[in-house]
Amino acid sequence: DVKVTQSSRYLVKRTGEKVFLECVQDMDHENMFWYRQDPGLGLRLIYFSYDVKMKEKGDIPEGYSVSREKKERFSLILESASTNQTSMYLCASRVGTGYEQYFGPGTRLTVT
Amino acid sequence: AQSVAQPEDQVNVAEGNPLTVKCTYSVSGNPYLFWYVQYPNRGLQFLLKYITGDNLVKGSYGFEAEFNKSQTSFHLKKPSALVSDSALYFCAVSLYNQGGKLIFGQGTELSVKP
Repeated sequence: DVKVTQSSRYLVKRTGEKVFLECVQDMDHENMFWYRQDPGLGLRLIYFSYDVKMKEKGDIPEGYSVSREKKERFSLILESASTNQTSMYLCASRVGTGYEQYFGPGTRLTVT
Repeated sequence: AQSVAQPEDQVNVAEGNPLTVKCTYSVSGNPYLFWYVQYPNRGLQFLLKYITGDNLVKGSYGFEAEFNKSQTSFHLKKPSALVSDSALYFCAVSLYNQGGKLIFGQGTELSVKP
């Protein structure tokens, strides 16, 4: 079975802090994704990566950056956390275009 | 602009009755269509997908979905609902010529009562 893990289930940070969310997949998938989930808005794509050291902006990249130094790991970085970044963050991976994405359990981030 | 709509925020069904969760999409080109389910405090789980071929696709846990190109719909169905089917359901669409990025609907909360 594909396994996607995220470093934390719950995280509380203060405004202005730098926040790192880590995601690791164990199936040698090429593509990895970061979403945020907010009630009534569904999932919105923040960034994605088709391969190591490659990244593409999604629909809401402002205030975020990403890093993919190894194929299995995709990190989301909040350079200076703000209260409007309080949300559920979901990581996903897939083998390629047209294939289903596999999701991690999510990190519920609260910024105070 | 590409979009996915799930017109019902909540669907209530009695156990044993058939269920339908609706999804319509607006895209240019031939879409790939997906359904995912999310149980409380969990990530999303893949249920089924339509890429090409037979308009009726079968997926996990007894779910199926019907692709209707003329109505641009991809409704999720199950002949007999279970209480354990209660969850949040997401429809998603992607386009091959855009790298297969997924666009999600806003989600439909399914509640199955005994």
